[in-house]
Amino acid sequence: DTEVTQTPKHLVMGMTNKKSLKCEQHMGHRAMYWYKQKAKKPPELMFVYSYEKLSINESVPSRFSPECPNSSLLNLHLHALQPEDSALYLCASSQDAAGSSYNEQFFGPGTRLTVL
Amino acid sequence: DQQVKQNSPSLSVQEGRISILNCDYTNSMFDYFLWYKKYPAEGPTFLISISSIKDKNEDGRFTVFLNKSAKHLSLHIVPSQPGDSAVYFCAASFSGTYKYIFGTGTRLKVLA
Repeated sequence: DTEVTQTPKHLVMGMTNKKSLKCEQHMGHRAMYWYKQKAKKPPELMFVYSYEKLSINESVPSRFSPECPNSSLLNLHLHALQPEDSALYLCASSQDAAGSSYNEQFFGPGTRLTVL
Repeated sequence: DQQVKQNSPSLSVQEGRISILNCDYTNSMFDYFLWYKKYPAEGPTFLISISSIKDKNEDGRFTVFLNKSAKHLSLHIVPSQPGDSAVYFCAASFSGTYKYIFGTGTRLKVLA
């Protein structure tokens, strides 16, 4: 299995809603990532988990809350988002965050989020 | 400051011909480079990578060239196929780290 899966594919939420994005991989990868991508822009790193511990938070607002329940799952909890948070949210995984020499990241298809 | 640049936002190529996508970087400490392809509404798909100890890496129709002195890499696709039409991102990294710096992307259109 060489796939990273993400659910849901699309999500529309109001600014007062609480929702969660889910990501799963079964490649035995020990590093998992959340990226945000706006239209016509490159992906921007948000969070990195390495061995189920939060390794990096790229100064992301607290209305985004990541969680890594186990080595295969990564969640992104959303609360009180703003319309400018509308974007494609991408999950990725790699063998290791920093221990290996080279770390190809494998991306999921993304969740298209619209905040009204 | 954009450390990784793809100066051509778009490129059109005839089917069967060579596509050449370019990427420039500013930080000479980058030692690992990758190319990703992205279709609309999908996540990026890893294509090919190269470490700074090499100047060329081939995988089927895809070849990446690295010119360290010019801080430039390029992706060659030969022969180009209509299914190659997508946005191509280059990315640079320091080996042993988590972070990729992505370029802004080049939209390739292969005309049948």
